[in-house]
Amino acid sequence: NAGVTQTPKFRILKIGQSMTLQCTQDMNHNYMYWYRQDPGMGLKLIYYSVGAGITDKGEVPNGYNVSRSTTEDFPLRLELAAPSQTSVYFCASSYSAGPGASNQPQHFGDGTRLSIL
Amino acid sequence: QKEVEQDPGPLSVPEGAIVSLNCTYSNSAFQYFMWYRQYSRKGPELLMYTYSSGNKEDGRFTAQVDKSSKYISLFIRDSQPSDSATYLCASGSNYQLIWGAGTKLIIKP
Repeated sequence: NAGVTQTPKFRILKIGQSMTLQCTQDMNHNYMYWYRQDPGMGLKLIYYSVGAGITDKGEVPNGYNVSRSTTEDFPLRLELAAPSQTSVYFCASSYSAGPGASNQPQHFGDGTRLSIL
Repeated sequence: QKEVEQDPGPLSVPEGAIVSLNCTYSNSAFQYFMWYRQYSRKGPELLMYTYSSGNKEDGRFTAQVDKSSKYISLFIRDSQPSDSATYLCASGSNYQLIWGAGTKLIIKP
């Protein structure tokens, strides 16, 4: 059982370049999340999705975009990479039978380490 | 004031010791409390989950929540080198989950 799979594991970008971080889960979870983790800081929520076709901003959405066309996939897009976006990005998923999923345990991928130079 | 605060450590203890990891939170509306363990270059994995106040035990791990003082604790008994990791606490309500920055734990053989 793969769980949450993120690709690529590492990437170096130049300022101004674009890229998509891929995330897929095979647990049929309805909720999916994107976080960034910076040294000494807690996980910061970038975007989340409560189901296919529905996405919403988290705490730090500027400079990012997402889409959710299927239950399984939740890609994160960086359009114009900036040094401030150097971070480790984690995708997570959870299941909730009703509104409000912050109380549900989340399953994480192993992250994408992104450096922007 | 951060909504969830943790001492970043590192906390270094000898193998076999009892470890106490702690968090404080500021929002009295928070009802859900979780501890995640994160190994180096890996994603966080859920370790313990509690609702409201009280204790929860799972093997060598005990999670404790004191809502009156807004204090969350994780105790590890008979600590092992394999417990060396960063421990993240998280707390929240139905619509919001706030993460602590994590405490790095080192168990010395």
